[in-house]
Amino acid sequence: GAGVSQSPSNKVTEKGKDVELRCDPISGHTALYWYRQSLGQGLEFLIYFQGNSAPDKSGLPSDRFSAERTGGSVSTLTIQRTQQEDSAVYLCASSVGQENSPLHFGNGTRLTVT
Amino acid sequence: AQSVTQLGSHVSVSEGALVLLRCNYSSSVPPYLFWYVQYPNQGLQLLLKYTTGATLVKGINGFEAEFKKSETSFHLTKPSAHMSDAAEYFCAVTGYSSASKIIFGSGTRLSIRP
Repeated sequence: GAGVSQSPSNKVTEKGKDVELRCDPISGHTALYWYRQSLGQGLEFLIYFQGNSAPDKSGLPSDRFSAERTGGSVSTLTIQRTQQEDSAVYLCASSVGQENSPLHFGNGTRLTVT
Repeated sequence: AQSVTQLGSHVSVSEGALVLLRCNYSSSVPPYLFWYVQYPNQGLQLLLKYTTGATLVKGINGFEAEFKKSETSFHLTKPSAHMSDAAEYFCAVTGYSSASKIIFGSGTRLSIRP
């Protein structure tokens, strides 16, 4: 079956512009994560959606970052007024939602802010 | 709350030598622990996981890891390195709750010398 799909795969934007990154999780997966991967920084947790529960937003680095998940499926990560330090690979992952369930990762969106 | 520390951002071993990648965790509740691998230009995939039961866990490609509660460690080993093992390895932890997010370490890049 289809895996986690992220779009776009690459995004180049000018400093100060807003960007939207999209994630289509595996059908039926109730848990959805966004992570940011920068060189030497590993995977930085951003936000976690689990079913109908309120999302865990504790990893969002500033109020310029927001995410939503519509209908328990597709998720959009929005970065407003982008800065150069936002340049990174943004990874989405989903799982069936049990705490020991493995994550299935998308291929990521590489964001470059010029 | 959970956290993960991976000692050594880069490990280099000779082909055929023992691979040891270190991971220590901190968790306020009994943890679930994971190792993920990211091969060059590929997405992250699950290597192995510890949930409950046997503390020595076997994964794909000959890797295994041992959960040591007294040392709060979950080190990854492989008896004999192969060139194809060159990749980035991430340790991750979560707690016994579907509301508990998965936190990743900063990663260890494994290089294999011919």
